[in-house]
Parts: sequence; C-alpha cells; structure tokens
Amino acid sequence: SQQGEEDPQALSIQEGENATMNCSYKTSINNLQWYRQNSGRGLVHLILIRSNEREKHSGRLRVTLDTSKKSSSLLITASRAADTASYFCATDDWGSEKLVFGKGTKLTVNP
Amino acid sequence: GAVVSQHPSRVICKSGTSVKIECRSLDFQATTMFWYRQFPKQSLMLMATSNEGSKATYEQGVEKDKFLINHASLTLSTLTVTSAHPEDSSFYICSATGPSLTYEQYFGPGTRLTVT
Repeated sequence: SQQGEEDPQALSIQEGENATMNCSYKTSINNLQWYRQNSGRGLVHLILIRSNEREKHSGRLRVTLDTSKKSSSLLITASRAADTASYFCATDDWGSEKLVFGKGTKLTVNP
Repeated sequence: GAVVSQHPSRVICKSGTSVKIECRSLDFQATTMFWYRQFPKQSLMLMATSNEGSKATYEQGVEKDKFLINHASLTLSTLTVTSAHPEDSSFYICSATGPSLTYEQYFGPGTRLTVT
C-alpha cells in the first residue's frame, strides 16, 4: 500500500492566496520530497527535506517536516494560476532509492 | 541539467502486440532508472527498478514476463509491454537517478499507451 497520504485531495483557491497541502506517512524515512505534475505530464521535483530538517524554503515554497507525527506540509505562497497542478509527496525507506508516492493533491488556482 | 526523455510520448497499439518505450538520461549517467505507471487521477505506482547491466527488480504484483525492462547502458532503459491488452492502457513514466543526484529522481515526460 502507498505510504504517503496527501490532504486535501483537491484544493481550489484564488490567485494570490496561499495553498497548504499536507502529507502523512507511516514508516521511518531518510527524506521526503515534493513533486508537481501538470496534467498528462511527467513530474517535476520541487524540494527535498531530510529527516533531520524541520523546515525548508525554495522561492514561494515552504516545506515543513515533523518526524514525530510522520507528516509534512507544503505551503505555496501568493499562488498563481500557473501553480495549477497536482502535487505529490514521496518518501523513501531508509537506505532505499525507491520512492513511494502519495495520492496527491489537485490544486486549482483560479485567476 | 538532469533531463530525462521518453519516447514515444503517445502510442496506440492493437491488442496482442508489443510496445517498446524508451527512457533516456540526456545529460547525466543514470545508475538507476525506475518505471512507474499511473492510472487517471491516481498516483504513481512503482513497477520496477533497473540498474545498468543487471536484471530489473520488479515490485510485487508486476509481471516480469509481461513488462520487460532492459537497462543496457547508463543513459538508456527500455520498457516493453508484451502482448498488450486494453487493461495495460495507462500512463507510463520513467525516472532516473545518478551518482551525483542523490535521492532526487528526475522524471521523463511520460508515455500514454492506449491498447485497442
């Protein structure tokens, strides 16, 4: 079964608003990654946070990781219509290169 | 850098035929490549992991005789769907990691397979 579970499954907001997506996982991890997928396209790597990190920023993206709760959040600030996509978290088992993806959050940013 | 391509982007084939999908790392050597399939509005499911020069490791429930994976060089892996059936219709995505790209996987644009 898949390890990551995103919440919410779908999110619709207005341009300029912030979007927050959450991800929970079940086992110990080495790192957690967030990816973005535009409809019918491949995935684009957004950000990686290691298990010993609590927060990481990249441009308008902010990722937090709480290993005690086995959860992570992705915040997109000042959203744009171009941010419309599906967002997936992915975790790896410690020492493994394999990624296990969550079900994703479909974000729609309305202009 | 770290570009992965897939070919073809779309393919339609008749039931019973075989289809080959190529995955190439364009500007780095991919020690490991992964093959995923994705059904509409669902997440990616890992099918197999392939390392250059060795046999692929398949995930539980994936038929190795149906989904043939070859990783003949550090820049090319192929997935062949043999004796395709309509239920094999899906979006197939490959990804790659290299010795200098620890943990991050770089994804190809995907291949939409439709079996009629």
